[in-house]
Amino acid sequence: GENVEQHPSTLSVQEGDSAVIKCTYSDSASNYFPWYKQELGKRPQLIIDIRSNVGEKKDQRIAVTLNKTAKHFSLHITETQPEDSAVYFCAASLTGGSYIPTFGRGTSLIVHP
Amino acid sequence: GAVVSQHPSRVICKSGTSVKIECRSLDFQATTMFWYRQFPKQSLMLMATSNEGSKATYEQGVEKDKFLINHASLTLSTLTVTSAHPEDSSFYICSARGTGGFGDTQYFGPGTRLTVL
Repeated sequence: GENVEQHPSTLSVQEGDSAVIKCTYSDSASNYFPWYKQELGKRPQLIIDIRSNVGEKKDQRIAVTLNKTAKHFSLHITETQPEDSAVYFCAASLTGGSYIPTFGRGTSLIVHP
Repeated sequence: GAVVSQHPSRVICKSGTSVKIECRSLDFQATTMFWYRQFPKQSLMLMATSNEGSKATYEQGVEKDKFLINHASLTLSTLTVTSAHPEDSSFYICSARGTGGFGDTQYFGPGTRLTVL
């Protein structure tokens, strides 16, 4: 089955700095990679996703890159703000049909004002 | 966008009682629903996957007779924690996945905080 490793487990940055969270996956068939943000006591919310037919996707201060050959993908947050503080989860899965996404263990991002 | 509701948001019960948690997809048909358990500062632990009209598929180590899952319609799945004990106290989160434009992404409910006394 799929195995997703996520690093680091904790990331502390100063406001305005960039933050990068990395994930690796094991199943080369995986072709859909969403990222979720979970604030304390709340639901995980999709913030960005990428499919295997593209290498990079951006949405304002957030970007995700995918290297299919190396089987890793990363979340990049620029100009971090205190409200970016949360736990971020990556996931890997297949599109279409019945599949079970595999989540990383999460990264606790702390942005210091 | 896709909205998933979960009820109740918080429940406190006595040991030995059963608790039912509902998960609803409000604006799309959820062909698959997932139930997760999350401990403080930990990742999402998948408990089971349910497809509408079928029996749920449980992950290894999850007792299906203790955590009863029903996915009777395309918009509703329920998780019943039977004979709850203090060790069942946790944050339970459901998610739903549909078809078409909602076919790839999981949309999560707000979670249910269960406390068993």
